[in-house]
Amino acid sequence: DTEVTQTPKHLVMGMTNKKSLKCEQHMGHRAMYWYKQKAKKPPELMFVYSYEKLSINESVPSRFSPECPNSSLLNLHLHALQPEDSALYLCASSQVPGYGYTFGSGTRLTVV
Amino acid sequence: KNEVEQSPQNLTAQEGEFITINCSYSVGISALHWLQQHPGGGIVSLFMLSSGKKKHGRLIATINIQEKHSSLHITASHPRDSAVYICAVRAGLRDDKIIFGKGTRLHILP
Repeated sequence: DTEVTQTPKHLVMGMTNKKSLKCEQHMGHRAMYWYKQKAKKPPELMFVYSYEKLSINESVPSRFSPECPNSSLLNLHLHALQPEDSALYLCASSQVPGYGYTFGSGTRLTVV
Repeated sequence: KNEVEQSPQNLTAQEGEFITINCSYSVGISALHWLQQHPGGGIVSLFMLSSGKKKHGRLIATINIQEKHSSLHITASHPRDSAVYICAVRAGLRDDKIIFGKGTRLHILP
């Protein structure tokens, strides 16, 4: 298995909803990442988990809450989002931090 | 000035043309990535380079560490190559973080 799988592919949520994005890899990668990408912009790093511990939080608002239950799974919990949070959310993993990235196909989130 | 600059920003070419996309960076790096993103889609990693040249099918990537420059070439371009190509560097001091260029939007006409 050489993929990073993200679910769901599309999500529409209201500003009062609570939802979660899921990312899974079975390549034995020990670093996992969440990126946010707005239209026609490069991805922006949100969080990095290194060996299942949060190593980087790029000053992301608390309405985004990451979770890494095990080395294969990364979640992003969403609560009380704003319409400007609508974007493509990309998950990536790497063998070790910073080396050999594999990206998921993303979750396109729309906040209404 | 961005730490990673790509040129051109947009490129339209005819099917079959040889394509070159350039990337210059201003920071010390330990690796450089070329990524491909189709409209509305996820990102595919094409190459990771730390020196020299790599080839995969019709794609060739080169890097010159001294000049802090990399190029991505596509030979015999095809409409399915239409995508955004992103150069990203792994800055030496922050192994967890990569710095993305703004991307080159390539459109190959049939």
